Amino acid sequence: DTAVSQTPKYLVTQMGNDKSIKCEQNLGHDTMYWYKQDSKKFLKIMFSYNNKELIINETVPNRFSPKSPDKAHLNLHINSLELGDSAVYFCASSQLRQGYTFGSGTRLTVV
Amino acid sequence: GESVGLHLPTLSVQEGDNSIINCAYSNSASDYFIWYKQESGKGPQFIIDIRSNMDKRQGQRVTVLLNKTVKHLSLQIAATQPGDSAVYFCAENGSSYKLIFGSGTRLLVRP
Repeated sequence: DTAVSQTPKYLVTQMGNDKSIKCEQNLGHDTMYWYKQDSKKFLKIMFSYNNKELIINETVPNRFSPKSPDKAHLNLHINSLELGDSAVYFCASSQLRQGYTFGSGTRLTVV
Repeated sequence: GESVGLHLPTLSVQEGDNSIINCAYSNSASDYFIWYKQESGKGPQFIIDIRSNMDKRQGQRVTVLLNKTVKHLSLQIAATQPGDSAVYFCAENGSSYKLIFGSGTRLLVRP
């Protein structure tokens, strides 16, 4: 059983489209995150949710809207995709700042 | 601002030798540190962690050293193997829920 699973693994789409990435964790963790990894491998946090409530928003454009229907899921919806959104997006979870576990990533390519 | 950095972007070692990957952090309030390994096409994988009340922690073939005086963290890998080839990240966690990642070091193991 995969601890943190995200879908899809690959996503190729045109500029201006709207797309979603889904994430689920079966670890029973209270906190979930979205990270963006750029072409230089730098990992930067985007959002953090604790028990379905937003606790961190790192000045991400409002075209990005996370949604957490329950504490096991954190989805990321992106409107009006731009070329600069191309990156690998990682979902992660933790419990009380421990056990940070990452998913395998979604490679988003905007053409 | 907060930052975690690495001295060497690429490290090449002979199989069987020991590897040392270094990391500098700037937030003296950080109290929890993690080393991650990321293989191509995969998410960051937990290797070892250390809390600020310790200065050394050992795992299987890996050792993390923490020097709070100079805000320096290192990962030592004993008897480096081809399977150790990957990008390694240090990450720090302060009082918030977010992990702040360094820029990564690519470890190449020569056969």
